[in-house]
Amino acid sequence: EADIYQTPRYLVIGTGKKITLECSQTMGHDKMYWYQQDPGMELHLIHYSYGVNSTEKGDLSSESTVSRIRTEHFPLTLESARPSHTSQYLCASSDGAVQPYEQYFGPGTRLTVT
Amino acid sequence: AQKITQTQPGMFVQEKEAVTLDCTYDTSDPSYGLFWYKQPSSGEMIFLIYQGSYDQQNATEGRYSLNFQKARKSANLVISASQLGDSAMYFCAMREGPGGYQKVTFGTGTKLQVIP
Repeated sequence: EADIYQTPRYLVIGTGKKITLECSQTMGHDKMYWYQQDPGMELHLIHYSYGVNSTEKGDLSSESTVSRIRTEHFPLTLESARPSHTSQYLCASSDGAVQPYEQYFGPGTRLTVT
Repeated sequence: AQKITQTQPGMFVQEKEAVTLDCTYDTSDPSYGLFWYKQPSSGEMIFLIYQGSYDQQNATEGRYSLNFQKARKSANLVISASQLGDSAMYFCAMREGPGGYQKVTFGTGTKLQVIP
């Protein structure tokens, strides 16, 4: 059973606010990911991490930033939220040493910026 | 070019019938892996089945099987004996290269609706 958590599940916030979306996993996975997904659409990778102190930008340009200070924690921060940031954000993790390297996903955060 | 193509935006299937969801992929890497995920309306992504490029046999997991045709670069998901709980979005995804340190690309998804 995968144990990956995201908070908050739903967030409605005004333009210009700073927000942090939390993601934690208890499986000791080295790889973690953030995806952005509009309703009914494909997932776009915005950030990923191979391990502590490792972060990389994904395929979709994003104004968000991430950090990986602890293996289990991979928060995503938006310094100044805009309506264009309204979307669902999915966090995932995987074990880079165990085949088939499938990703385990959190429940997602649905963000609405007004 | 799209790396993962799912040409069926939406599909309907009668309960207890089988359904095939199409997925074609594009890669020049000899080592790759193909995944199928299910996303119910609640939003979480659930891993269903995996096929490695060197696997000789088609993958099966319960009612899910993967029809892997390497020469045609297709990896279709077959769901047998559909249930109402199978109604969801289904995403095909590909990891290129060996090992677990490769990024995964997702397709656009197919929305499956099971009719009672």
